[in-house]
Amino acid sequence: DTGVSQDPRHKITKRGQNVTFRCDPISEHNRLYWYRQTLGQGPEFLTYFQNEAQLEKSRLLSDRFSAERPKGSFSTLEIQRTEQGDSAMYLCASSEPYEQYFGPGTRLTVT
Amino acid sequence: GENVEQHPSTLSVQEGDSAVIKCTYSDSASNYFPWYKQELGKRPQLIIDIRSNVGEKKDQRIAVTLNKTAKHFSLHITETQPEDSAVYFCAARWALGQLTFGSGTQLTVLP
Repeated sequence: DTGVSQDPRHKITKRGQNVTFRCDPISEHNRLYWYRQTLGQGPEFLTYFQNEAQLEKSRLLSDRFSAERPKGSFSTLEIQRTEQGDSAMYLCASSEPYEQYFGPGTRLTVT
Repeated sequence: GENVEQHPSTLSVQEGDSAVIKCTYSDSASNYFPWYKQELGKRPQLIIDIRSNVGEKKDQRIAVTLNKTAKHFSLHITETQPEDSAVYFCAARWALGQLTFGSGTQLTVLP
């Protein structure tokens, strides 16, 4: 499968725990984006990488969120001290340069 | 930042009829406008896009039109089929390539 992949697909965690998600973009894509989608809404931009450089972060990305893209390949998104409001679908997309293709998402449920 | 408004929020059509979804954007610097189809529990799927140097683009039963002066763009689906039923999102690209999405249109094609 040469599309964008994400792992895990589902994550249930207790409030206060840390979680980490992984995204593997399409191999030739230099640009990688993270979005968050809640039920009934469109995806909301979180952060953007070009190769290994994180070039933009949304104000939605609080200090509890951190993202990395070592070596410009896969990316990870970590949420520390999860809160119930973090429950959402976390989507990753890659592009080169315009068309963004999304992964299947990681559905996070914070109990 | 960019703001994208999408109408209508729900749309029901008879099979074989046409469907039109409209969006407006706020940032005149936006230069790329994709449309995504999202079925329940699945990833957003890019179905068509248009760049700001083009006024119209067509792909089989799907077309998109762009009016840069009015900052409007629209999705047109002709000869609708039940499998077209889904949520459709418009989006506008700005700044470093991140997308701002509309709030979505739930399209139902009645057999």
